[in-house]
Amino acid sequence: EADIYQTPRYLVIGTGKKITLECSQTMGHDKMYWYQQDPGMELHLIHYSYGVNSTEKGDLSSESTVSRIRTEHFPLTLESARPSHTSQYLCASSPTTPYYGYTFGSGTRLTVV
Amino acid sequence: GEDVEQSLFLSVREGDSSVINCTYTDSSSTYLYWYKQEPGAGLQLLTYIFSNMDMKQDQRLTVLLNKKDKHLSLRIADTQTGDSAIYFCADLTGGGNKLTFGTGTQLKVEL
Repeated sequence: EADIYQTPRYLVIGTGKKITLECSQTMGHDKMYWYQQDPGMELHLIHYSYGVNSTEKGDLSSESTVSRIRTEHFPLTLESARPSHTSQYLCASSPTTPYYGYTFGSGTRLTVV
Repeated sequence: GEDVEQSLFLSVREGDSSVINCTYTDSSSTYLYWYKQEPGAGLQLLTYIFSNMDMKQDQRLTVLLNKKDKHLSLRIADTQTGDSAIYFCADLTGGGNKLTFGTGTQLKVEL
């Protein structure tokens, strides 16, 4: 079944550690997105990609980086985690023209202690 | 840029109808969406409406679109405790390139 997967679901990590949040989709979608969601609910777009080797920064400045070497894979990396990075991270994908919306993964809840 | 606004909270009793409202600013929006987010989960697409429609009904869900006032609403009939969640509206903007999400409405269903 076509879907979008995020791992891990939960991650607790110490300050200064390097982390990678994984996102993979089997939808055959060109576009992929990363959102950060604080406890206040609002979604903030931090990165997006229109295809392989294409990455762009979103509306909210983030210290994280992304890569898109394969169509189905869009990992997010934090080189040195800090408590201010504690948040829910949501990955999504869509066709080139998202008439039917985005498909979201289940999210990764990151806590930096 | 596009701005999509929602009220933050709504509390209803089980069995009542819920109405969640959304306003947007981009008059060129072509598609508008409602998403549901349960605790600790991602967003799930509930329904969408094309901008040339005024209303769309899907079982307990009714979407109303007033293009003149740029107002979108989601009515949930016979609201159940399982409907407790955050609801996001979104519209397709940027020349059909991206979705802009609202701020989210927390729906609480009380017994």
